[in-house]
Amino acid sequence: DAKTTQPPSMDCAEGRAANLPCNHSTISGNEYVYWYRQIHSQGPQYIIHGLKNNETNEMASLIITEDRKSSTLILPHATLRDTAVYYCIVKSVDSNYQLIWGAGTKLIIKP
Amino acid sequence: GAGVSQSPRYKVAKRGQDVALRCDPISGHVSLFWYQQALGQGPEFLTYFQNEAQLDKSGLPSDRFFAERPEGSVSTLKIQRTQQEDSAVYLCASSLVSGSTDTQYFGPGTRLTVL
Repeated sequence: DAKTTQPPSMDCAEGRAANLPCNHSTISGNEYVYWYRQIHSQGPQYIIHGLKNNETNEMASLIITEDRKSSTLILPHATLRDTAVYYCIVKSVDSNYQLIWGAGTKLIIKP
Repeated sequence: GAGVSQSPRYKVAKRGQDVALRCDPISGHVSLFWYQQALGQGPEFLTYFQNEAQLDKSGLPSDRFFAERPEGSVSTLKIQRTQQEDSAVYLCASSLVSGSTDTQYFGPGTRLTVL
């Protein structure tokens, strides 16, 4: 079973920040939080990952709460091309495979 | 640079036929993964290779499914005597090393439809 809970869908206006929440209340100390997205008819695309500190790259920012039980993926200026299903995944440092995926959040960017 | 490629992109098979799905990982990537994705769901792990060694095949749904990576590069997922429930998108991913936090890069997938 997936270890994360995400809302099934969200809307966001083009140009605004899209904030996608993820609950991972049972996360353990050796588990990372990963975010991938999947645009329609394409393979999943890696976005970002983190352990306990906030992370930022050219695509997004990842904010992890201090107790690590939840996180938020932030797309700072959403475009229509960001419409996709976004998956939040927890992955143990002791496992080099086994990404366990939930159903994700369908993010729709509206003009 | 070139990413993970998969072929064919679409495959239609009659029930009972055998199919072979190919994955070309990113050059030099040690780890290779196969996932199965049913419509409207997240991918599910099938099997994992480190170079030519198949280290985990626990996700293969039945003995009709077989995967190989004989030279540690290209991989083939074979499904024998296909059934309608095998209809799904089959995704291949590769990662540079076998480290626990190494990023997996995915191909576009092969959509298999079994009639």
